Order: sequence, then structure tokens, then C-alpha cells
Amino acid sequence: DAGITQSPRHKVTETGTPVTLRCHQTENHRYMYWYRQDPGHGLRLIHYSYGVKDTDKGEVSDGYSVSRSKTEDFLLTLESATSSQTSVYFCAISENPETDTQYFGPGTRLTVL
Amino acid sequence: GDSVTQMEGPVTLSEEAFLTINCTYTATGYPSLFWYVQYPGEGLQLLLKATKADDKGSNKGFEATYRKETTSFHLEKGSVQVSDSAVYFCALISNTGNQFYFGTGTSLTVIP
Repeated sequence: DAGITQSPRHKVTETGTPVTLRCHQTENHRYMYWYRQDPGHGLRLIHYSYGVKDTDKGEVSDGYSVSRSKTEDFLLTLESATSSQTSVYFCAISENPETDTQYFGPGTRLTVL
Repeated sequence: GDSVTQMEGPVTLSEEAFLTINCTYTATGYPSLFWYVQYPGEGLQLLLKATKADDKGSNKGFEATYRKETTSFHLEKGSVQVSDSAVYFCALISNTGNQFYFGTGTSLTVIP
């Protein structure tokens, strides 16, 4: 299994509070991704990174920010959580997205009350 | 823009039945195509992939052929097992971009 961990694995928070999710990899892969998974929507890309300090938006980036100060860590921040951000969040990594597999982390279940 | 459409679920089959899950795509350039599987409580795992037209991906008895003329990548298995019960996602990445696009997922339940 690819070395990807996510923390926390479960979190319950209140509307308006900031939340940071962490993705950590030990594979030294260049690309890292944050997705959210919701019923009826499958996986939707929030943000991705193609190197240290290099990030770009996905299709559902509003309300989220990311940072990547080291190759191994990719942080997802909800500045002010809303109930619509209740979801399961998955991190993924890839060395070359055109030809290589994406490896997924175990997921973080976030509930915003 | 790029997108993937896969058949709605849920799908329920008896053990040893034939499985087909349809997937069609829209993409710029020449995409690579993937099927991922998600078991309960876990992240997605790559099941198979094809990177160019007419390629056939296969793994664990599952197969899918990249059909450029019909923009399809249907997943098939000749004889499903209870252990195949999971959610299956079709996905693509265009050779002009860095982003993966996923279908909405198809839930499969195999009953003994």
C-alpha cells in the first residue's frame, strides 16, 4: 500500500469554526490532491498541488484553501466551516497523473453541525 | 469540459452472474481511462486502466476496453463473487491536464 495517511480520521465541528485536514505521504510523489465524496456526486476535486508551493483549484474550491510547504504534506483548510462542507474528504497522490495510478488515503469524515 | 458518465446504481446480482457497468466520457485530447473500486470504509483503489485507444485493462477477472469510436470504457466481469460487492468509479485524465475526473460511482451488491 502507498504510504498515505490522513488526520484526523473523524471530526465533528460547529459552523463558523476553522478546520484543517492533513495529508501526509512517504512516497515522494509530486502531485497531491484533495477530493470530497458526497452521495450522488462521486468524487469532486477541491484543490491539487503539482509541487511544493504550487497549487491549483479544482471544480469545488470555494470555501477551501490549501498549502504545501513540504513535498510530503498537503493541508486543506476550511476557513469558516459550513454545514454544506459535511463530507468525506480523500487525499490522493500521483507521480505522473497521465500515466500513473492515483493512490488514495483512507479518508476523513467531517461533520459540521 | 472533461467529464465521465456512468450508469446509475445500485446494481444487485446473484453470485456467478455477468456484470457490466457502463461508462462513457467526454474529453479533450487523448485521455487515459481508469476504473477504481471502493470497499466499505476505505479509500479508492485502482482496479484497471487503459492509456490509449483499443487497449484492454484487466485485473482480478475484471476487464474494460478503451473504445475511442464510442467514447466508452465499460467494465465487465464474467462471474461475480460476493467479495466484489463495492462501489465502482470510472475516471479519466486528459493528456492536456493534471486533473482526474470521476463518475458518480455505481454500487454493486452480490448476493449468494
